[in-house]
Amino acid sequence: AQSVTQLDSQVPVFEEAPVELRCNYSSSVSVYLFWYVQYPNQGLQLLLKYLSGSTLVKGINGFEAEFNKSQTSFHLRKPSVHISDTAEYFCAVSVVIKAAGNKLTFGGGTRVLVKP
Amino acid sequence: SQTIHQWPATLVQPVGSPLSLECTVEGTSNPNLYWYRQAAGRGLQLLFYSVGIGQISSEVPQNLSASRPQDRQFILSSKKLLLSDSGFYLCAWTRAETQYFGPGTRLLVL
Repeated sequence: AQSVTQLDSQVPVFEEAPVELRCNYSSSVSVYLFWYVQYPNQGLQLLLKYLSGSTLVKGINGFEAEFNKSQTSFHLRKPSVHISDTAEYFCAVSVVIKAAGNKLTFGGGTRVLVKP
Repeated sequence: SQTIHQWPATLVQPVGSPLSLECTVEGTSNPNLYWYRQAAGRGLQLLFYSVGIGQISSEVPQNLSASRPQDRQFILSSKKLLLSDSGFYLCAWTRAETQYFGPGTRLLVL
């Protein structure tokens, strides 16, 4: 079974400052990695994903994440946040086995509050 | 392009009443479909998934059931709601390795 740990439940940050959201996972098989964002009372929107290839992945809204296989991490970063980045962010993994039905295992989420 | 719809958007139901939430995907065929629940303080929990019409896998024992009567329709049901069924219900579908989520249904059981 897989598990995902998001080390920070809440991250306050000032506008235009950088932010890093930490995500670690455990799995006995290869995984795909995802970051989703959820704005209040909305569904989840895909920010970025790592399937294979370059370990540095760029996503929407200026976010990027780096896959580190040795540390089993997939931390999300943005060099300069905006007020509109206030949301909850979820890290997720799925196993690279089609028969598993692409099921996602989510971390507990990190609430980002951007202050002016 | 593909879109996913959920309705209703919000629902307030008394304990013991039945439930039917609907999810429909447009612009694709034979998608994998998923139901998740997001309860306060409990993150996202996978409830059911389906790889085809009539094929339902349940992830956790609970008061809910799911059905897939058509290729692009996924329904979440309950015969008698419990207070603990309150939460935000999300439907998702898969394109290749990636899941895409609907707008969600907020359910409050009183």
